[in-house]
Amino acid sequence: EVQLVESGGGLVKPGGSLRLSCAASGFTFSSYSMNWVRQAPGKGLEWVSSISSSSSYIYYADSVKGRFTISRDNAKNSLYLQMNSLRAEDTAVYYCAKIQLSTAALDYWGQGTLVTVSS
Amino acid sequence: QSVLTQPPSVSGAPGQRVTISCTGSSSNIGAGYDVHWYQQLPGTAPKLLIYGNSNRPSGVPDRFSGSKSGTSASLAISGLQAEDEADYYCQSYDSSLSGFYVFGTGTKVTVL
Repeated sequence: EVQLVESGGGLVKPGGSLRLSCAASGFTFSSYSMNWVRQAPGKGLEWVSSISSSSSYIYYADSVKGRFTISRDNAKNSLYLQMNSLRAEDTAVYYCAKIQLSTAALDYWGQGTLVTVSS
Repeated sequence: QSVLTQPPSVSGAPGQRVTISCTGSSSNIGAGYDVHWYQQLPGTAPKLLIYGNSNRPSGVPDRFSGSKSGTSASLAISGLQAEDEADYYCQSYDSSLSGFYVFGTGTKVTVL
């Protein structure tokens, strides 16, 4: 059974940093690209970042470029999101999601971790 | 800043059929990119409902169907059930933005 479990969320002051983790199991993690997607309270889904299976290709939304860094450790079956220079508008539930090979749809999602940026 | 537009809400009585539209442009849906649909039940993570425009993952009832034409896509729910009350999002890709994945604005389905 595919499982994605995020951790690392919490309350942080504006300008602060946080590192999210996503532990993957139930599939060959090293073979799949992964995404981070966020959802602000009461709002819709927003794509944040993507990373290919070998970390060769990395993409960011304009809203986080230069502040967030996606990475992965295939030996540990883990995905990460380093978030720096956090702003109030980064407050959201952050989901990690597995990318389906054939169509690039997001076929499995974690339960999410809440990041609150507030003074 | 969603580039895919959905109606904010649709509603229907149990057993009825409802459809949700997803309108894009020539840089996303109209460029030939696949459209996927996700269902988000209250307080839970999104779940893949339709992939590759019209395909259902294993376990998704055949009451759910998807289609795509031109710069738009649609999700239909036939035989509406109480457990279908949720938020629904379309998703595609966009060639005009550095943002790669684009989501729809989301539609709340209410079962009357």
